[in-house]
Amino acid sequence: QQQVKQSPQSLIVQKGGISIINCAYENTAFDYFPWYQQFPGKGPALLIAIRPDVSEKKEGRFTISFNKSAKQFSLHIMDSQPGDSATYFCAASRRMDSSYKLIFGSGTRLLVRP
Amino acid sequence: ETGVTQTPRHLVMGMTNKKSLKCEQHLGHNAMYWYKQSAKKPLELMFVYSLEERVENNSVPSRFSPECPNSSHLFLHLHTLQPEDSALYLCASSQATGSDYGYTFGSGTRLTVV
Repeated sequence: QQQVKQSPQSLIVQKGGISIINCAYENTAFDYFPWYQQFPGKGPALLIAIRPDVSEKKEGRFTISFNKSAKQFSLHIMDSQPGDSATYFCAASRRMDSSYKLIFGSGTRLLVRP
Repeated sequence: ETGVTQTPRHLVMGMTNKKSLKCEQHLGHNAMYWYKQSAKKPLELMFVYSLEERVENNSVPSRFSPECPNSSHLFLHLHTLQPEDSALYLCASSQATGSDYGYTFGSGTRLTVV
């Protein structure tokens, strides 16, 4: 059962453009929604995260938009740069007794053309 | 340096071999995780250790055996693997309690089973 659905699988954007990646979740118990960025040969690194009590969070060129009623959230990369080319994963997490459990989306491979 | 170190970075093993993957975190976290990342599937949670106790075994075959001797170290012991077990194995750590749900990942071990 895939609890976090991510789209698109791949995305090509011109330098300076806006990259948009979407995710949808099913479990309303999730209470933390991070985005991870992964470069080849590296592990995923936390990029930005949001909790469901806010509808938007911005950090530099990266913005998360969150729609609690629709159970959807998205990552917007403004002024996309070639250095942003990487695989992006959305995730959802909830507290599980003495730990947290992160469920990941399937990933989006972003290519930003110069 | 992400604070989570995995060794070895690459491993090639035969189906009859026994090997171990090692993960060490220097972040003072008290929860550690093993994830499997393959080309066809998203990040799959394998095991969760919180406060040095295994709290989740996500239906992983017994040919994978985790060990967490203390809160800083995590091992994944491998024996009689199959070619389909070839993947990137990622270790992550986090706080087990509090409001910080963020995971920190290592760079992974690229495993090839021949």
